[in-house]
Amino acid sequence: GNSVTQMEGPVTLSEEAFLTINCTYTATGYPSLFWYVQYPGEGLQLLLKATKADDKGSNKGFEATYRKETTSFHLEKGSVQVSDSAVYFCALSTGNQFYFGTGTSLTVIP
Amino acid sequence: ETGVTQTPRHLVMGMTNKKSLKCEQHLGHNAMYWYKQSAKKPLELMFVYSLEERVENNSVPSRFSPECPNSSHLFLHLHTLQPEDSALYLCASSQGRESPLHFGNGTRLTVT
Repeated sequence: GNSVTQMEGPVTLSEEAFLTINCTYTATGYPSLFWYVQYPGEGLQLLLKATKADDKGSNKGFEATYRKETTSFHLEKGSVQVSDSAVYFCALSTGNQFYFGTGTSLTVIP
Repeated sequence: ETGVTQTPRHLVMGMTNKKSLKCEQHLGHNAMYWYKQSAKKPLELMFVYSLEERVENNSVPSRFSPECPNSSHLFLHLHTLQPEDSALYLCASSQGRESPLHFGNGTRLTVT
């Protein structure tokens, strides 16, 4: 079946630190991969996506590369800001079906 | 107004009440979704409507009843809920296969 596993949180970093949030997936076929971000009191917002192997999604300084050989889609950012504090969700899509990870809470302290 | 709008933002209801959640999308999308978000659990897909026809049910209890009168509106009718149904209910829309989901801000439901 299809599923997404992402690293447990919470993650606490100092401002300007490097961020990695691990995500691995299991899927039949060739899924699209996504990272969503959820700020307090809001719904999920699309952060970036990749639709095929070796694609790199990027947005707002965040990046993730679709690695078919390791079935991974790790989220990275070189220098986090306090405003990046949120919950991050990895997800995959096959057709109309989306599968989400449990979310990783990130807190960035000044 | 743009995006996906959900009302109400917060709802407190007793176990014998009947209430409805509303979702409206202004993106011209052809698929709409209801998700349940509970603490420490993955998002749970409840219902999917594509071109106004329900295509996924995911074995949701019958106390949750969806309605999609047109491609822009989606409702979730609630009756005789249980305290464990307390959660954030998120509506989303998309433009079809493997297109990103666009979420509303959710309805925070508390069942007392």
